[in-house]
Amino acid sequence: DAKTTQPPSMDCAEGRAANLPCNHSTISGNEYVYWYRQIHSQGPQYIIHGLKNNETNEMASLIITEDRKSSTLILPHATLRDTAVYYCIVRVGNQFYFGTGTSLTVIP
Amino acid sequence: EAGVAQSPRYKIIEKRQSVAFWCNPISGHATLYWYQQILGQGPKLLIQFQNNGVVDDSQLPKDRFSAERLKGVDSTLKIQPAKLEDSAVYLCASSLWSQARTDTQYFGPGTRLTVL
Repeated sequence: DAKTTQPPSMDCAEGRAANLPCNHSTISGNEYVYWYRQIHSQGPQYIIHGLKNNETNEMASLIITEDRKSSTLILPHATLRDTAVYYCIVRVGNQFYFGTGTSLTVIP
Repeated sequence: EAGVAQSPRYKIIEKRQSVAFWCNPISGHATLYWYQQILGQGPKLLIQFQNNGVVDDSQLPKDRFSAERLKGVDSTLKIQPAKLEDSAVYLCASSLWSQARTDTQYFGPGTRLTVL
């Protein structure tokens, strides 16, 4: 059972920032938020994770609200290769609970 | 560093037949996971191993599914007999150590099973 809620689909213009929202209102204080993406016919690919502070790596930035009930994944300059399904996941104990994700389409 | 390897990539069988999938995790990863992903859904955990022991198999349909990781390295997932609703992608993932709260899972490419 997914612990997160995401919009089913989004579009983004190539070169612009893609902002993918996620609600996780029942998250507990020590549970991490993870983001993965899945390109068609491939396994999920790790993007980033965080607890309470904002995080940035070479792929994306993760912004977590102060109350930790929601977060936003930011792809700063979307390319056509970023078209994929993006999963926001709360790790509960040993398990990742995947929802149905957001299908992001980057438009030329 | 080599990623998670899975084989075969595709398999087509008829219902009531048996099938097996193989996974080789990233070297040194103690934890191995098998997921089932039905079309249009996110992956669902079937079973989790820590070395050669089962940590969680609560969502594994044990009447037809079985999995083993005898030497704590590679793993096999078996379905016997298969049903139409078993058509899905079977994903294997591995991580260094599941007890760490920031333990990241790395996924293989998956095996797409079609049951006719």
